[in-house]
Amino acid sequence: KAGVTQTPRYLIKTRGQQVTLSCSPISGHRSVSWYQQTPGQGLQFLFEYFSETQRNKGNFPGRFSGRQFSNSRSEMNVSTLELGDSALYLCASSLAGGPPDTQYFGPGTRLTVL
Amino acid sequence: DAKTTQPNSMESNEEEPVHLPCNHSTISGTDYIHWYRQLPSQGPEYVIHGLTSNVNNRMASLAIAEDRKSSTLILHRATLRDAAVYYCILTAYNTDKLIFGTGTRLQVFP
Repeated sequence: KAGVTQTPRYLIKTRGQQVTLSCSPISGHRSVSWYQQTPGQGLQFLFEYFSETQRNKGNFPGRFSGRQFSNSRSEMNVSTLELGDSALYLCASSLAGGPPDTQYFGPGTRLTVL
Repeated sequence: DAKTTQPNSMESNEEEPVHLPCNHSTISGTDYIHWYRQLPSQGPEYVIHGLTSNVNNRMASLAIAEDRKSSTLILHRATLRDAAVYYCILTAYNTDKLIFGTGTRLQVFP
């Protein structure tokens, strides 16, 4: 069974631009979560989607948004990029639906904002 | 979100057991205790989780205190590949939201 895939793996943008990152969960998984990892702040929760509905949201500004499609694939968007948005963005998927389940993480998208 | 406290770092020699402690004194009755680890240049990897009883799997064992205010991840025989940052995380029922702390950086020496 294929793991969680994220595209693109690397991205370079300039300040003020916007970016869309994609995550394909493991087949059959209905929950997708997004995390941001930086050297200074560590791993921080962005949002969680289950069956196309946002179930939880972290403490990030409104420039960060996401969505989930009917096939469970998810995208996150960051508008008006700032230098501080440079980070590794990780996506995780699980079967979900009840008690906390094992989450499987993708390799991440490395975003650099210049 | 309930918080956890872990030592910043620990060291072990190869093939020795490792006990990684975690304090979670504000845990609620429905919080699950999860452990994830992150190897260098990789995304986090699930290790084990439990609610009240001790748990074992092929990777590790999880020992949960009777009052659930602390837990210990046990690696029975450390290998060099176990060198990673280990995160102890409390998760509520019906959510996959993981709040990562700073974790414990485990070094394993040959």
